Amino acid sequence: NAGVTQTPKFQVLKTGQSMTLQCAQDMNHEYMSWYRQDPGMGLRLIHYSVGAGITDQGEVPNGYNVSRSTTEDFPLRLLSAAPSQTSVYFCASSYSTAPGLLFFGSGTQLSVL
Amino acid sequence: EDQVTQSPEALRLQEGESSSLNCSYTVSGLRGLFWYRQDPGKGPEFLFTLYSAGEEKEKERLKATLTKKESFLHITAPKPEDSATYLCAVRLSGNTPLVFGKGTRLSVIA
Repeated sequence: NAGVTQTPKFQVLKTGQSMTLQCAQDMNHEYMSWYRQDPGMGLRLIHYSVGAGITDQGEVPNGYNVSRSTTEDFPLRLLSAAPSQTSVYFCASSYSTAPGLLFFGSGTQLSVL
Repeated sequence: EDQVTQSPEALRLQEGESSSLNCSYTVSGLRGLFWYRQDPGKGPEFLFTLYSAGEEKEKERLKATLTKKESFLHITAPKPEDSATYLCAVRLSGNTPLVFGKGTRLSVIA
């Protein structure tokens, strides 16, 4: 099994550009979430979903949109990129019966110039 | 105020030198405390779940323990391959996602 797949692995954007970070899981997990990881800040939750059609905001949602049209996919959209969004982004998924047992993707390193 | 605080931020050990990492939390209504390991350039990988005070879990050279306000990750006779960042996270009630600490960066020198 592939687990949690994130694409792209690296991305450079100019301020104001938009893009979508892709996340797909093949484990039939109900829960999916997006985190960003910055030096000295740890992992911070951006958005999460407890099932198809259901999303909610995390700690740092501003500037990001998500949707969950299928169980497998949970894309993260940057609406108008800003230098403050330079970070490493991780997607994670889990079963609803074990919501703390997260499976993480390998991350997307994003730089906004 | 951080809900989850990990200490120290960084720890450097000689191979075979045992030590402990600390994770303290201020939340009430804990529904689980989780330890993850993260290698450079990779996503975190699950290690342990602890649910109640007094509980212990072991895996190879690692042992996690839980009290009412903190958890310890004990590393016995570490090897260089144990070098990584260790993350602690807590889960509160309902469907709330995990809240992570900032991690402890462990380096084990041969």
